[in-house]
Amino acid sequence: AQSVTQPDIHITVSEGASLELRCNYSYGATPYLFWYVQSPGQGLQLLLKYFSGDTLVQGIKGFEAEFKRSQSSFNLRKPSVHWSDAAEYFCAVGGHRDDKIIFGKGTRLHILP
Amino acid sequence: GAVVSQHPSWVICKSGTSVKIECRSLDFQATTMFWYRQFPKQSLMLMATSNEGSKATYEQGVEKDKFLINHASLTLSTLTVTSAHPEDSSFYICSAEVYEQYFGPGTRLTVT
Repeated sequence: AQSVTQPDIHITVSEGASLELRCNYSYGATPYLFWYVQSPGQGLQLLLKYFSGDTLVQGIKGFEAEFKRSQSSFNLRKPSVHWSDAAEYFCAVGGHRDDKIIFGKGTRLHILP
Repeated sequence: GAVVSQHPSWVICKSGTSVKIECRSLDFQATTMFWYRQFPKQSLMLMATSNEGSKATYEQGVEKDKFLINHASLTLSTLTVTSAHPEDSSFYICSAEVYEQYFGPGTRLTVT
């Protein structure tokens, strides 16, 4: 069955510290992988996506993610977080065109000043 | 970039009434649109997939008679919550697909 697991419900880091948000997926075929960010009461903003090619993907706002097929993982990283990064982060997996996207339960990121 | 809008962004309705939410792709045509529901502090759950000119495909457990979806054109899909009840209060997000899904800003529905 297709699924996405984000093991951390909440993560707290200090401003300026590095960040890694974990994501594991289960998908029968070659997955399309996504990371989205959602601020309170807002819609989703796509941070980055992986379809094929280079397994290290660069996104917006200084985020990057690495696809590791052997570990079925797609962890999101940022070398130095800013207070404005506090939000909910969703990892998602989907297939090819017209296939639905399945979201993880999300990780809420808190930033300490 | 591809922009998807939703209207209204926020709506309050009385229990028993119906409310319509619009999802528009502003600068592209989308043959497929998706409707998601998000409860507070939870993830997005796909409700249905709609294709222009055909009936929507509903996910298991979603009442098709309660959540009416119409995809009348390549740029517009509507979700109508019929006979709304307080438990229908939620954040509804649509997406439109052209090579990938682009998400709207969401509509917060409160049923009193």
